[in-house]
Amino acid sequence: KQEVTQIPAALSVPEGENLVLNCSFTDSAIYNLQWFRQDPGKGLTSLLLIQSSQREQTSGRLNASLDKSSGRSTLYIAASQPGDSATYLCAPLETSGSRLTFGEGTQLTVNP
Amino acid sequence: EPEVTQTPSHQVTQMGQEVILRCVPISNHLYFYWYRQILGQKVEFLVSFYNNEISEKSEIFDDQFSVERPDGSNFTLKIRSTKLEDSAMYFCASRFGRPSTDTQYFGPGTRLTVL
Repeated sequence: KQEVTQIPAALSVPEGENLVLNCSFTDSAIYNLQWFRQDPGKGLTSLLLIQSSQREQTSGRLNASLDKSSGRSTLYIAASQPGDSATYLCAPLETSGSRLTFGEGTQLTVNP
Repeated sequence: EPEVTQTPSHQVTQMGQEVILRCVPISNHLYFYWYRQILGQKVEFLVSFYNNEISEKSEIFDDQFSVERPDGSNFTLKIRSTKLEDSAMYFCASRFGRPSTDTQYFGPGTRLTVL
């Protein structure tokens, strides 16, 4: 059974800092891994999808890396802004092609 | 930009009552999902649906739950006899095609409160 762990659980940084969020998963047999953002009481917004054959994926100030063999992914946020404050979730997709397994998330606060 | 929509945004029901949560997936998507998130806990997979049948379900998705695509646009989750522990945010998601490359897009959720 896939288990996903995200570190740190919470992070508070001043505006402008670059930061790294970590995700680890126990079963490396995955199709891809998605990073999501969740605002309080809201739905999940997909940020990046990184395929199992890829090492990196970039979207604007976000960069995600994937090391499938070691069961790790990182999300790098450059030049953080107060609007980045949210909970960030990682979710590998199992090779059944259906099930995303979510971590507990990293709650990020960016202070002006 | 196309998005997944869900209704209602909040539903309150009495224990033992039936509820139907509704979703309109993105129009050209072929794969449909339900997830739930109990307050303060992880998002959990419930079920996936493709070609008018369930393709995978979790251990949570027992006989009290059912899904249906009654027409070309809606996707529903029915809970036959709600329990207190069914209180959660329920998210619908859809995907266009290939699991390796295509993103699952999530709706805003329906908050279900069982009293």
